[in-house]
Amino acid sequence: GENVEQHPSTLSVQEGDSAVIKCTYSDSASNYFPWYKQELGKGPQLIIDIRSNVGEKKDQRIAVTLNKTAKHFSLHITETQPEDSAVYFCAASRKGGGFKTIFGAGTRLFVKA
Amino acid sequence: DTAVSQTPKYLVTQMGNDKSIKCEQNLGHDTMYWYKQDSKKFLKIMFSYNNKELIINETVPNRFSPKSPDKAHLNLHINSLELGDSAVYFCASSQADLGVAFFGQGTRLTVV
Repeated sequence: GENVEQHPSTLSVQEGDSAVIKCTYSDSASNYFPWYKQELGKGPQLIIDIRSNVGEKKDQRIAVTLNKTAKHFSLHITETQPEDSAVYFCAASRKGGGFKTIFGAGTRLFVKA
Repeated sequence: DTAVSQTPKYLVTQMGNDKSIKCEQNLGHDTMYWYKQDSKKFLKIMFSYNNKELIINETVPNRFSPKSPDKAHLNLHINSLELGDSAVYFCASSQADLGVAFFGQGTRLTVV
């Protein structure tokens, strides 16, 4: 069945360093790849997304890359800050009556001040 | 203004009871979802409704019954609650052809 693998499960970085989270997906029909940030006690919040016709997208300190051939996509956070600490989820989605979205297992990011 | 709101935020109940969680979105989206997040933070889709019509039902027990009275509302009713139903349930909405989902704050259900 469809699957999204996410690594690492936990990531600890020093403030100011970069953080990279990687995901692979199995459904070749996936064409939309959102990333969500979930803070304690809150719902996941979309932070950036990329569609299959684009290889890279950047928004300030956050960037995503997509390799459709290898079915890999990654999230890059530069100049990390303590407020970046949260759980991050990647997801792979395809249109199938409202977009069926499969989430990765999440990465708990700790940014140490 | 809350985009996707669900109530209650916390729900503690005994095994065997029946309970409902309500969700409303004011974004004008045509698709709404219910997700379950377990204790390990794993997010799994349960149901999806597009224009009040059920389009995704991911092998969820029959004890779970979603109801969408209109495009802005998707409620979740759970019969005969079991210990394993304890989790955080998230409602979300999106515009079907865009895919971007907005999540509610979650309902933490604890079955004792």
